[in-house]
Amino acid sequence: EVHLVESGGGLVQPGGSLRLSCEASGFSFSSHEMNWVRQAPGKGLEWVSYISSGGHTIYYADSVKGRFNISRDDAKHSLFLQMNSLRADDTAVYYCATLVAGRGIDFDSWGQGALVTVSS
Amino acid sequence: SYVLTQPPSVSVAPGKTARITCGGNNVGSKSVHWYRQKPGQAPVLVIYYDSDRPSGIPERFSGSNSGNTATLTISRVEAGDEADYYCQVWDGGSDHPWVFGGGTKLTVL
Repeated sequence: EVHLVESGGGLVQPGGSLRLSCEASGFSFSSHEMNWVRQAPGKGLEWVSYISSGGHTIYYADSVKGRFNISRDDAKHSLFLQMNSLRADDTAVYYCATLVAGRGIDFDSWGQGALVTVSS
Repeated sequence: SYVLTQPPSVSVAPGKTARITCGGNNVGSKSVHWYRQKPGQAPVLVIYYDSDRPSGIPERFSGSNSGNTATLTISRVEAGDEADYYCQVWDGGSDHPWVFGGGTKLTVL
């Protein structure tokens, strides 16, 4: 069974940094494309970032480009999101999510999320 | 970037049929996927490729997509179907490929 567990969320001041982790189990992590998707309080889902299997292709939403950095460690079955220059509108629950293998266009497994609060 | 538009809310009585729309420019040329999200939980894929159901999703859930509107249909609605529903497409020509609609709150009366 696929299991994704996010960690590293918390309260941070505007302009600060935070690093989220997502530990994966129950599937072949190294062969899966991975993503971060966020959800601001009371709002909808927003795709944040993508990393291919192998890590050679990366995409970011315009709202985080230049501030966030996605990476992966296949040996540790882990996905990361380094978030810098955080703003109040980055406050959200951050989910790691897998793309359906062989399709790559829809999300089939999600973690339970990590809450990031940016506030002074 | 591509925009998907959903009604904020839909209400339906138990046992009736709920229809949730997802509008986008020529969305019929794209594959639409639907997710259900209950309070405090992560989203769950309920329809992919416009009308296919993942294993474990009841046959009461169906989908269609044509022109500028995709529709998620839930037949014989149950109280447990109350949730937020999101449509999503892959906009392959963009560097922002995964696009979600704003979500629709389904209320079972």
